[in-house]
Amino acid sequence: AQSVAQPEDQVNVAEGNPLTVKCTYSVSGNPYLFWYVQYPNRGLQFLLKYITGDNLVKGSYGFEAEFNKSQTSFHLKKPSALVSDSALYFCAVTERYGGSQGNLIFGKGTKLSVKP
Amino acid sequence: GAGVSQSPSNKVTEKGKDVELRCDPISGHTALYWYRQSLGQGLEFLIYFQGNSAPDKSGLPSDRFSAERTGGSVSTLTIQRTQQEDSAVYLCASSPTQDRSGNTIYFGEGSWLTVV
Repeated sequence: AQSVAQPEDQVNVAEGNPLTVKCTYSVSGNPYLFWYVQYPNRGLQFLLKYITGDNLVKGSYGFEAEFNKSQTSFHLKKPSALVSDSALYFCAVTERYGGSQGNLIFGKGTKLSVKP
Repeated sequence: GAGVSQSPSNKVTEKGKDVELRCDPISGHTALYWYRQSLGQGLEFLIYFQGNSAPDKSGLPSDRFSAERTGGSVSTLTIQRTQQEDSAVYLCASSPTQDRSGNTIYFGEGSWLTVV
């Protein structure tokens, strides 16, 4: 069965410092991996995804994520955090092939708080 | 429209009443998903439509929940005899095809349901 773990419920960062939001996954085959962001009282916005190729994926708003197959991880990073990055971040996975119907399996989310 | 459109954005209903939530996907998207986001529960897959294929209803929590998609476009999620535990944000999403191909799933702003 597919699963996603976001081990931190909350991450606190000072503005201007680098940030990392962690994600590990479990699938029986090769994964497609996604990050979404949710601002208060809003829907989910797509940030970036890993499909194939370069393990370092760059996305919206200066975010990037690195796919690490051996560690089954897909951590979200940003070199310099902004107060406006404060939001809820979701990691999601689906299998490239297999029995799933293609729907995304989400982690429980990590709340990012960036202080001035 | 440019994005996934959901209505109503907010709904307060009395316990035992039926509710209908509507989703209008991005034009041309053949795959449509419903997810539920409950406080502290993360995102829960409910149902998935792909073209004219039979929907994947494996995530529906009980037989009080049903969904249909007319003409391969607009979808309605119906909750009968609502219970307080049904209070949540119901998120609709669409993609050009099922995500097994790695296509991005785009979310609407959600319908916030409160059962009192």
